[in-house]
Amino acid sequence: GAGVSQSPSNKVTEKGKDVELRCDPISGHTALYWYRQSLGQGLEFLIYFQGNSAPDKSGLPSDRFSAERTGGSVSTLTIQRTQQEDSAVYLCASSSAGTSSTDTQYFGPGTRLTVL
Amino acid sequence: KQEVTQIPAALSVPEGENLVLNCSFTDSAIYNLQWFRQDPGKGLTSLLLIQSSQREQTSGRLNASLDKSSGRSTLYIAASQPGDSATYLCAAPTGGGNKLTFGTGTQLKVEL
Repeated sequence: GAGVSQSPSNKVTEKGKDVELRCDPISGHTALYWYRQSLGQGLEFLIYFQGNSAPDKSGLPSDRFSAERTGGSVSTLTIQRTQQEDSAVYLCASSSAGTSSTDTQYFGPGTRLTVL
Repeated sequence: KQEVTQIPAALSVPEGENLVLNCSFTDSAIYNLQWFRQDPGKGLTSLLLIQSSQREQTSGRLNASLDKSSGRSTLYIAASQPGDSATYLCAAPTGGGNKLTFGTGTQLKVEL
């Protein structure tokens, strides 16, 4: 597609359940990022992929969070045993290289996660 | 650790006014800075990216400047319109990579 897409757009789950969030980056973009936007915390970096590798996972808040990327394209962010504090908008971004000073990050519309 | 601050937090102006949004960052070892726009319930739209070698970048009615030595960037919006109402975020790369640290944003309202 022309832009970054994310699914689902909204997800409501019960505390303790696992959820999977999907990101389809812009075709050909090698770098992919996950961020989280929550009230009171602003926008926070979670994890960065270059191709299928994740050289920077420093923003993942706990070991309940994991992510993978396959075929250098689609990425899935998984949250296990969800907690209410996981409620947020999860944003995915991609860029062409991830290593250049001209590298613009393009964002998807986000997945709004609500944990009841 | 990179910290990014934006002032003001909120701004309301009448249509047609020129305005300036401010962004400051603590780690000046950056090679670019991005400005984004976010509409309610939507993702982020990239507005401008300024490379560290540049002082200004322009797109239509928007002009962004970057002063690395003072750790500041400004976004100038000329002849504001109601459609410019949104939250504006600046973001600087951190940790030597391209992961972004975001400011808390300026919520702009342009009134008729």
